[in-house]
Amino acid sequence: EDQVTQSPEALRLQEGESSSLNCSYTVSGLRGLFWYRQDPGKGPEFLFTLYSAGEEKEKERLKATLTKKESFLHITAPKPEDSATYLCAVQPNSGGYNKLIFGAGTRLAVHP
Amino acid sequence: DAGVIQSPRHEVTEMGQEVTLRCKPISGHNSLFWYRQTMMRGLELLIYFNNNVPIDDSGMPEDRFSAKMPNASFSTLKIQPSEPRDSAVYFCASSSGFDTQYFGPGTRLTVL
Repeated sequence: EDQVTQSPEALRLQEGESSSLNCSYTVSGLRGLFWYRQDPGKGPEFLFTLYSAGEEKEKERLKATLTKKESFLHITAPKPEDSATYLCAVQPNSGGYNKLIFGAGTRLAVHP
Repeated sequence: DAGVIQSPRHEVTEMGQEVTLRCKPISGHNSLFWYRQTMMRGLELLIYFNNNVPIDDSGMPEDRFSAKMPNASFSTLKIQPSEPRDSAVYFCASSSGFDTQYFGPGTRLTVL
């Protein structure tokens, strides 16, 4: 069964304290892995797509990496405005359509 | 681009009443998804449309839920009769083929 597990469930950081969020997945075949950011009361906002092991994507203080079993979202010198829930989703090869399986998310709080 | 548009943003209703949620996907996107998000179960796919045709409705919880897409610009999700356990945030998302899914702002439904 295709499955996505994110850890930790919640993370509290001081401003400037770098850290990483983990997304472990089991899927029969991976078409793509997506990272979204979700602010309270809003819909998920797309951040990155990764397609193959070894691939990396960067945006401001965020960098996403992918291996054959997991993905990491590295946050460098975070600021309070980076506080949000970060969702990881896998897109399996099977199923024949753009199906996403989401993890439960990591709630990040960055304090000044 | 206006993005995915959902209405209403908030809905409060009493048990047994009919509820209709509305979605306008991004122009040019041929895939539309309805999701439900709760604290307990996270983001769950309810139904997927491709070119206005329902392809996978295996996530629809029961017969009280129905969804339609009469044209490429409009979709509805209806709950009749509503129950307190239907209280959740309902998201609509759209994509072009296997590309990124873009989410709307969501409708927060409260059934009393």
